[in-house]
Amino acid sequence: TQLLEQSPQFLSIQEGENLTVYCNSSSVFSSLQWYRQEPGEGPVLLVTVVTGGEVKKLKRLTFQFGDARKDSSLHITAAQPGDTGLYLCAGAKRDYKLSFGAGTTVTVRA
Amino acid sequence: NAGVTQTPKFQVLKTGQSMTLQCAQDMNHEYMSWYRQDPGMGLRLIHYSVGAGITDQGEVPNGYNVSRSTTEDFPLRLLSAAPSQTSVYFCASSRDGRSNYGYTFGSGTRLTVV
Repeated sequence: TQLLEQSPQFLSIQEGENLTVYCNSSSVFSSLQWYRQEPGEGPVLLVTVVTGGEVKKLKRLTFQFGDARKDSSLHITAAQPGDTGLYLCAGAKRDYKLSFGAGTTVTVRA
Repeated sequence: NAGVTQTPKFQVLKTGQSMTLQCAQDMNHEYMSWYRQDPGMGLRLIHYSVGAGITDQGEVPNGYNVSRSTTEDFPLRLLSAAPSQTSVYFCASSRDGRSNYGYTFGSGTRLTVV
């Protein structure tokens, strides 16, 4: 059983459309991290959110941490083919064990 | 700026063989960890280390051993390979592993056990 549930599992959209990926849990985390992974490579950190209700923006990507620090979302505006990849959320507690969701595979068609 | 270096990139083992996956980081990070990634299951923590000489088990430690004799290196040993250990293995490091600092991952080792 995954500690973090990501939805949807797969997402295929046209270039220029918007998309949102969700990361939910019944556990409280001290921080939530988002990574992007491309085929044959390791995950690369996009952002860390720490405070409940926090919103962080990274160009066309907007990350939000839920008020109760149990969930997070990633919103991409005007998606581009370069946004294609596997998006992973990961929850951190004070126990040195970062827990990952199963990931959302995003495909942006030109 | 090498970051986290994993070797080998690919490996095929026969059931029962042993091997060591190498991981080295040059960022002076105290925390290092090993994950395995399987389709539909995300990344699962195998073992981790909060500093030289200190290791602990993660979510799926059975069949794997680790040691941390230096800050830079954190090898993962498969004692007697089984087909269930076919997976992609990632080493990651972090400044302290507790919360706000993200992890830096290596590029992975794809292991097939036949």
